[in-house]
Amino acid sequence: GAVVSQHPSWVICKSGTSVKIECRSLDFQATTMFWYRQFPKQSLMLMATSNEGSKATYEQGVEKDKFLINHASLTLSTLTVTSAHPEDSSFYICSAEGAQTYEQYFGPGTRLTVT
Amino acid sequence: GQSLEQPSEVTAVEGAIVQINCTYQTSGFYGLSWYQQHDGGAPTFLSYNGLDGLEETGRFSSFLSRSDSYGYLLLQELQMKDSASYFCALSYNTDKLIFGTGTRLQVFP
Repeated sequence: GAVVSQHPSWVICKSGTSVKIECRSLDFQATTMFWYRQFPKQSLMLMATSNEGSKATYEQGVEKDKFLINHASLTLSTLTVTSAHPEDSSFYICSAEGAQTYEQYFGPGTRLTVT
Repeated sequence: GQSLEQPSEVTAVEGAIVQINCTYQTSGFYGLSWYQQHDGGAPTFLSYNGLDGLEETGRFSSFLSRSDSYGYLLLQELQMKDSASYFCALSYNTDKLIFGTGTRLQVFP
C-alpha cells in the first residue's frame, strides 16, 4: 500500500515552454501532498505544500507564478513549470502525507531537462 | 531559518557499524525522521524520534537529544545494499518536512 506515482519519469523541453508533472496516490487518498526539488548530490528542498481544494502554500523564495500547483482531487496533484529555463533543470519529487506527520510517501521523481 | 547539517560522505566496510550525525539550529519541531534514498530513487522512511532517546528498528537505530540539538542514525551489520544517501528531516505541525544536507554512505566489501 501507500504507493505514489509520478508522470512523466523524465522530460526534456525547450527553454520558454511549460511542463506539467503529475503526482498520484494510487491506493489511498491524500489531502496533502508536497513538492520538492533536488539538484544532483544535494538535499530535497521543499517547494510547496499542496492541499486538496485550496491554494498551495509556497516556501520562501519559490515563485508561485512560475511553479503552478493544482490539487484538484484527493489522488492527484500537478506541478506546472511555466516558461522553463535551463536553471530549472532538476529532479522534481512529490510526496503524500502519511498516517503520521513525520512519514511521507514519496513518488519516484521526474527528471526535467530544459535545453 | 531551519538548518540541518550532516557529514557529506561516510565510508565503511560490510558488517561494520556506522553512525551518521545530524545537527540542527531550530526549535518548535515535532520530531526527527530519517530517510534513505538510492541514486535516482525515491526517499523511503527509516526511523523517527518524537522523544529524546534511542529508537531501534532492526539493523537501524536513531537517536535524538533536543538539549544538544543533535541526532544520529546508527546502521549495524552493514550490507552493500545500504550504500545510499541518508537524510535527517524535521517534522512540524504543518506536516511539512525540512531535510538535512544529506550523507552519502558507501559500503565496501
